[in-house]
Amino acid sequence: SYELTQPPSVSVSPGQTASVTCSGDKLGDKYACWYQQKPGQSPVLVIYQDTKRPSGIPERFSGSNSGDTATLTISGTQAMDEADYYCQAWDTSTGGNVFGPGTKVTVL
Amino acid sequence: EVQLVESGGGLAQPGGSRRLSCAASGFIFSGYWVHWVRQAPGEGLVWVSRINIDGSITNYADSVKGRFTISRDNAKKTLYLQMNSLRVEDTGVYYCVRRGDGDYFDSWGQGTLVTVSS
Repeated sequence: SYELTQPPSVSVSPGQTASVTCSGDKLGDKYACWYQQKPGQSPVLVIYQDTKRPSGIPERFSGSNSGDTATLTISGTQAMDEADYYCQAWDTSTGGNVFGPGTKVTVL
Repeated sequence: EVQLVESGGGLAQPGGSRRLSCAASGFIFSGYWVHWVRQAPGEGLVWVSRINIDGSITNYADSVKGRFTISRDNAKKTLYLQMNSLRVEDTGVYYCVRRGDGDYFDSWGQGTLVTVSS
């Protein structure tokens, strides 16, 4: 089955740029998306189809996907961005969706 | 406003059964694929199952295949998950999610907690 890997944690200073990576075999050939989950809340879609932002998501969130790695970038990170971030792609071999293990972004 | 409201969670014994429901509103339910995603306490998100717009296509994660059944009633705008032969490792919050116009989830319910324990 298809697997995605993410770093367990990323730390960033307020106002700086945070990058969260998601790796999988030929992930660039699929669409990747990203979800933000704050404690006690349901996940929220922040990036879909590699680079698109849903309405209401701040412009500081951006995405890219090439080769084996998709990246979520948070520019000018704010304290409110502290959360767990999950990448997700579709596994064509099983017809199921696969999530990465999640990355905790801490704003120090 | 899109709303997905899950219900049916609670305590179940190992080997027991539980039926989850998800009431949809604010969009044309019959026009969307819908899925179940679960999250064990303190853990990450795990895809469980999906169903197409008329219920003719269903898929399951290997961990629940043969034990869980997803279904929908478009007239009632409701998604279901029948969970049988429950295991301790099935414990978690179960989210009802709507698939957008691609392989991503654009709307999530608040989740319902299922605890499997003796």
